[in-house]
Amino acid sequence: AQSVTQLDSQVPVFEEAPVELRCNYSSSVSVYLFWYVQYPNQGLQLLLKYLSGSTLVKGINGFEAEFNKSQTSFHLRKPSVHISDTAEYFCAVSFSGGYNKLIFGAGTRLAVHP
Amino acid sequence: DAGVTQSPTHLIKTRGQQVTLRCSPISGHKSVSWYQQVLGQGPQFIFQYYEKEERGRGNFPDRFSARQFPNYSSELNVNALLLGDSALYLCASSFRDRLGDIQYFGAGTRLSVL
Repeated sequence: AQSVTQLDSQVPVFEEAPVELRCNYSSSVSVYLFWYVQYPNQGLQLLLKYLSGSTLVKGINGFEAEFNKSQTSFHLRKPSVHISDTAEYFCAVSFSGGYNKLIFGAGTRLAVHP
Repeated sequence: DAGVTQSPTHLIKTRGQQVTLRCSPISGHKSVSWYQQVLGQGPQFIFQYYEKEERGRGNFPDRFSARQFPNYSSELNVNALLLGDSALYLCASSFRDRLGDIQYFGAGTRLSVL
């Protein structure tokens, strides 16, 4: 069965420091990978996606992620965070073919402190 | 351009009642998906519709049903509400990139069952 694991439930970090949010998935078929961000009392906003091609993907708000097929990972990174990046971040996977439902991880709470 | 719109934003019901949630997709998107997000967890897939046909269903009881209309808007119905149905219900509309579906989410409907 396919699954997504976000290894950290909470990540505290100081403003302007770098951050990495970790995501691993399990699948026996080709996957598409996504990161979404959820601000308090809001829906999900797409940060970035990997469908094919370059394994380094750049998204909005200065975030980027790298697809590592051998390690089945898709970690999210930002070189310098801002207070406004405080939010819940969800890694999600869908599968090529079929109807592309998203399977989400449990989320990582990023808390940026001044 | 308008994003995915959901109504109502908040809803309070009592056990045993029925509820209908509504979703309007982004213009040009023909597919709508529904997800349930329980507090502190990642979203769980409920249904996906494309061109008024159900393409997929998650592991939810038959109390949950949905439909899609000719204008691609959608309704999610939940009968015989239980306390455990309290959650944020998210609607996503999607278009097919040349490689796969990209899902865009609305702000959600927060359902509280008392």
